[in-house]
Amino acid sequence: GNSVTQMEGPVTLSEEAFLTINCTYTATGYPSLFWYVQYPGEGLQLLLKATKADDKGSNKGFEATYRKETTSFHLEKGSVQVSDSAVYFCALSDRGAQKLVFGQGTRLTINP
Amino acid sequence: ETGVTQTPRHLVMGMTNKKSLKCEQHLGHNAMYWYKQSAKKPLELMFVYNFKEQTENNSVPSRFSPECPNSSHLFLHLHTLQPEDSALYLCASSQDWAGGGGQYFGPGTRLTVT
Repeated sequence: GNSVTQMEGPVTLSEEAFLTINCTYTATGYPSLFWYVQYPGEGLQLLLKATKADDKGSNKGFEATYRKETTSFHLEKGSVQVSDSAVYFCALSDRGAQKLVFGQGTRLTINP
Repeated sequence: ETGVTQTPRHLVMGMTNKKSLKCEQHLGHNAMYWYKQSAKKPLELMFVYNFKEQTENNSVPSRFSPECPNSSHLFLHLHTLQPEDSALYLCASSQDWAGGGGQYFGPGTRLTVT
């Protein structure tokens, strides 16, 4: 079956550091890939997405590239801010299927 | 109002109570979802509705009863819950399939069962 694996958290960084959160997936078809972010006390927000191989999703300074050869969709940001502290979820959806398969989430804390 | 809204945001109920959670989406989507988010557990899909019809019930106990009167509204009726049902309940919506557009989530209802 389909699955998503994220790097274990929690991750703690200093402000302006470079961020990478690893995400790899297993899927039988050609999935779409997503990153969601959950700020404290809130629901999940769609951060970025990519629907085919080599697509790059980007939003709010975050980027992730759909790598079919390595089945990965790593999240990166060049310079993090305290306001980026949240839980980040990687997810996939098979084409024609409605279910999103989520990773377990990675808690990110940015210290000033 | 835009996006996906949920009410109430917080709910405390006893095990013998009956309560309902409400979700409304203002995105023109045709599919709606209920998820359960517990501490230290992966996000759990509970129910899926497409064009008001239930298309997925992920082995959810009968003490949780969903209702979808139209494509914009989704309810979760709760009765005789257990303390382990305490969690954040998230509603989401999407176009009729989530492959390209993704799902859009509400802020959740934090439920505490005493």
